[in-house]
Amino acid sequence: SQTIHQWPATLVQPVGSPLSLECTVEGTSNPNLYWYRQAAGRGLQLLFYSVGIGQISSEVPQNLSASRPQDRQFILSSKKLLLSDSGFYLCAWSYGTFQPQHFGDGTRLSIL
Amino acid sequence: DAKTTQPTSMDCAEGRAANLPCNHSTISGNEYVYWYRQIHSQGPQYIIHGLKNNETNEMASLIITEDRKSSTLILPHATLRDTAVYYCIVRVGNTGNQFYFGTGTSLTVIP
Repeated sequence: SQTIHQWPATLVQPVGSPLSLECTVEGTSNPNLYWYRQAAGRGLQLLFYSVGIGQISSEVPQNLSASRPQDRQFILSSKKLLLSDSGFYLCAWSYGTFQPQHFGDGTRLSIL
Repeated sequence: DAKTTQPTSMDCAEGRAANLPCNHSTISGNEYVYWYRQIHSQGPQYIIHGLKNNETNEMASLIITEDRKSSTLILPHATLRDTAVYYCIVRVGNTGNQFYFGTGTSLTVIP
């Protein structure tokens, strides 16, 4: 069966510090991968998606970037965190474009 | 702007059917309707999806109106573990990768 792992589960970072969140998928090959952010009390916002290694599409301009160095690895990064980057970050995968997306348990990021 | 409209909150008695409505009046012919739910502090869980026909799986049933402008998610026998925020989502965009998760419906199952 397929599983998706995100880490860390929680993270507290100072303003201006760098960020690296990692997501890996097991049990499938060439999945579509996604990064979402959920602000407190709000819906999910799609940040990035990838249909293959090195292929990244950004949905909104922001202080964040994403990379896919391996088939089942998706990384969310920032060089300098802002207070507004606080939120619940979720990674997801799907078999294809119109297939259901399956989510990890998320990383709760707090910026101080 | 939101592509779907859902009630903010609903209550349901344990053991009864929970019927969660969703309006998606601007849906296009090739757009699917998806339902997810999210329990506090966890990632969203896929429930069901459909295009035109009604769908049923081990978790729920999805009823889509003939004009496809609205749908209803039915949990046939709600349990306390079904308490969650339920999201109705319509796939938008040519690539189909763009999901819009709105604020959803907060369902509380009451003992």
